[in-house]
Amino acid sequence: DVVLTQSPATLSVTPGERISLSCRASESVDTYLHWYQQKPNESPRLLIKYASQSISGIPSRFSGSGSGTDFTLSINGVELEDLSIYYCQQGNSLPYTFGAGTKLELK
Amino acid sequence: QVQLKESGPGLVQPSQTLSLTCTVSGFSLTSYSVHWVRQHSGKSLEWMGRMWSDGDTSYNSAFTSRLSISRDTSKSQVFLKMNSLQTEDTGTYYCARNRYNYFDYWGQGVMVTVSS
Repeated sequence: DVVLTQSPATLSVTPGERISLSCRASESVDTYLHWYQQKPNESPRLLIKYASQSISGIPSRFSGSGSGTDFTLSINGVELEDLSIYYCQQGNSLPYTFGAGTKLELK
Repeated sequence: QVQLKESGPGLVQPSQTLSLTCTVSGFSLTSYSVHWVRQHSGKSLEWMGRMWSDGDTSYNSAFTSRLSISRDTSKSQVFLKMNSLQTEDTGTYYCARNRYNYFDYWGQGVMVTVSS
């Protein structure tokens, strides 16, 4: 199974700053890497597909990059509503796997 | 609009069988696959298995021996059955629509507690 390692586990942020979250795969997943946001007591929401493709309705401050084994989710100007847990997911091979998540908290 | 909704018992006794239903609307089960994903409280997400649009199924080997996914296309429903439940199976169970290899719509989730 492909193991996805997310870092950091927790990130303390200040509104307005630009941040980057990392997701590293144990083997190449090409660009079959997707990002989700999950707020407390809510279902995950798709943020970015295929490493860097935007999703309709998602604010433009969210962007993704990477291919192979190293991926980054960036938020350009964090807002309070972004305080959530972010998961990466690989769709290159079954079983689909998720990272352990990065929690954004207020500094 | 696309919707998925899970339903099932909130409490299951150890060693018993869990039966969940995912009722979908806004799309056809013969055009999209529907997957089941589990989340332990405060933990990450775990892919369990899928019902493909052609009726084929795939399972995570971690569950293969006790997990079964089926469907009723006439009712737009996908079913999950998992036997021999243990306390470690406590968590929130989601069904999600899969678009190629990512999940574009999720149900609200159903919390299942395994306890006597």
